[in-house]
Amino acid sequence: QSALTQPPSASGSPGQSVTISCTGTSSDVGGYNYVSWYQQHPGKAPKLMIYEVSKRPSGVPDRFAGSKSGNTASLTVSGLQAEDEADYYCSSYAGSNNFVFGTGTKVTVL
Amino acid sequence: QVQLQESGPGLVKPSQTLSLTCTVSGGSISSGSYYWSWIRQQPGKGLEWIGYIYYSGSTYYNPSLKTRVTISVDTSKNQFSLKLSSVTAADTAVYYCAREATANIAFDIWGQGTMVTVS
Repeated sequence: QSALTQPPSASGSPGQSVTISCTGTSSDVGGYNYVSWYQQHPGKAPKLMIYEVSKRPSGVPDRFAGSKSGNTASLTVSGLQAEDEADYYCSSYAGSNNFVFGTGTKVTVL
Repeated sequence: QVQLQESGPGLVKPSQTLSLTCTVSGGSISSGSYYWSWIRQQPGKGLEWIGYIYYSGSTYYNPSLKTRVTISVDTSKNQFSLKLSSVTAADTAVYYCAREATANIAFDIWGQGTMVTVS
């Protein structure tokens, strides 16, 4: 299985929005509504931000929104804040009790 | 509040077996609502799912690592473990244990991670 494809970097000024894509195949992203997104600050463990494509766990600001179209999922961070600067990874269920992660995107708040 | 904590050697010699344990606190590993996972991150790289185990002992592994991976559970100690055999420098990584919720198929709680160097 291949890693899901994400852009290496994305950036925006405080208050702006940034959207990160996550491209897979019909065997993972396109085949299941089980895409999740994780935020990882340097030296820290990943944190779940979005699950089941667009649902937010308790405590995650509604500035974070997920969506999916075909084999591509997206994470949009609105109203960028300094603390949003981090690496973001998507993940998808790939069937038969198997998971695949994305290549990761470094978000910079300018 | 459920917490996960990895433990084990930080240095393993090539060709030997890497062994790590994850201790679950604040909740029971025997809850039927979760799978207990291992995920790793090579230096400067992305995340890689290694595999997971159900409290009953059912295991599922990443096909690319399947021949070298064994995950086991000890419900009496509220722990689960990872063994990765025949390690090489490519297995040098931060290893995380994580909880996967069967209801929403996502890794909702993570340990802090432990760095393992193969050298």
